[in-house]
Amino acid sequence: KAGVTQTPRYLIKTRGQQVTLSCSPISGHRSVSWYQQTPGQGLQFLFEYFSETQRNKGNFPGRFSGRQFSNSRSEMNVSTLELGDSALYLCASTRGRGIREEQFFGPGTRLTVL
Amino acid sequence: TQLLEQSPQFLSIQEGENLTVYCNSSSVFSSLQWYRQEPGEGPVLLVTVVTGGEVKKLKRLTFQFGDARKDSSLHITAAQPGDTGLYLCAGESNFGNEKLTFGTGTRLTIIP
Repeated sequence: KAGVTQTPRYLIKTRGQQVTLSCSPISGHRSVSWYQQTPGQGLQFLFEYFSETQRNKGNFPGRFSGRQFSNSRSEMNVSTLELGDSALYLCASTRGRGIREEQFFGPGTRLTVL
Repeated sequence: TQLLEQSPQFLSIQEGENLTVYCNSSSVFSSLQWYRQEPGEGPVLLVTVVTGGEVKKLKRLTFQFGDARKDSSLHITAAQPGDTGLYLCAGESNFGNEKLTFGTGTRLTIIP
């Protein structure tokens, strides 16, 4: 069974640009969550999508947005990039619900903003 | 904002030694998970603990959830080089809109 795939794996952008990252969850998983990982702040939750609807949202500015398609694939977009947006962006697909929930992470997209 | 503090932040020990990593919070969590992350990869779930006082074992790894469900520990016996990685605890809460609150991480290096 294929794992979570994320594209691209590496990305270099300049300040002010926008970027779109893609995530394909494990087949059959309908929930996708996005996280930002930086050395200073660690892993922080961005948002979660389930059946094309945003179910939860973390404390990030409106420049960070996402969506989910009918095939459960998800994209996240960051507009007007800032230097501080440089990070590893991780996507996780979820099996189960509640306390039996398990998240499976992809390898991440490493974004560098110059 | 709920915080999960892990200690130590960095740990480097010789192969064969034992170690314990701690995950502490002032908040109560409905469940707590431990992950290991290796360079270039996403975190991999090791275990989920749910009940206060619960102990789970995964080969040489022993996980414990605090009685009050505010803290957890991970003990590794006879550490091996393959245990090297970033260990993250993550708590799930019934409050707020955070999916999971991740700890600050412990970077473990096992020296052969």
